[in-house]
Amino acid sequence: GQQLNQSPQSMFIQEGEDVSMNCTSSSIFNTWLWYKQDPGEGPVLLIALYKAGELTSNGRLTAQFGITRKDSFLNISASIPSDVGIYFCAGHSNFGNEKLTFGTGTRLTIIP
Amino acid sequence: DAGVIQSPRHEVTEMGQEVTLRCKPISGHDYLFWYRQTMMRGLELLIYFNNNVPIDDSGMPEDRFSAKMPNASFSTLKIQPSEPRDSAVYFCASSFRQGGYLAEAFFGQGTRLTVV
Repeated sequence: GQQLNQSPQSMFIQEGEDVSMNCTSSSIFNTWLWYKQDPGEGPVLLIALYKAGELTSNGRLTAQFGITRKDSFLNISASIPSDVGIYFCAGHSNFGNEKLTFGTGTRLTIIP
Repeated sequence: DAGVIQSPRHEVTEMGQEVTLRCKPISGHDYLFWYRQTMMRGLELLIYFNNNVPIDDSGMPEDRFSAKMPNASFSTLKIQPSEPRDSAVYFCASSFRQGGYLAEAFFGQGTRLTVV
């Protein structure tokens, strides 16, 4: 089945630093979503991307839908302590496909 | 809206017992998904429903797992008999169709299942 390869698996950064993570697929995806999961909670949507090449921002977060439709990245600028958590990319592989495939996650830790 | 509501939040059971997980989707959402999350396998889709009808159950691990959606506001995931390897966090999510796309999936807080 489809797989989403997410990197890096984990990041240790200092508060105030910028963060970048990405997701790649061997097949074409028609939507890309980025979720954040806090401990003991379910994933919460951060950004949704629906068009190839689309660049979308949500506060300090910026995400892009790769032009090849096989990748996406998420950037976080000026990280703060509440950014700690696990970030997942996810996508729908075909137009109208209702199954959402998730990446393996990037665990973000902020060093005080 | 209260969001997707799952119960119980935590369940500890003995191997061989039946376990039932419950989910109330967001009102008006016509898609419901059951996911399982483990350290080894990440988030896996088990089954999903559209308008209360199971559409794809190819992710259900084996016959010990079953899911039902008797109405638009309630779904259950049952494991009988449970085994230690079923220990995981089980998430329910709901969504709706927005134009030609399925909108984002809204997740519940999950049920942490431990089978001893």
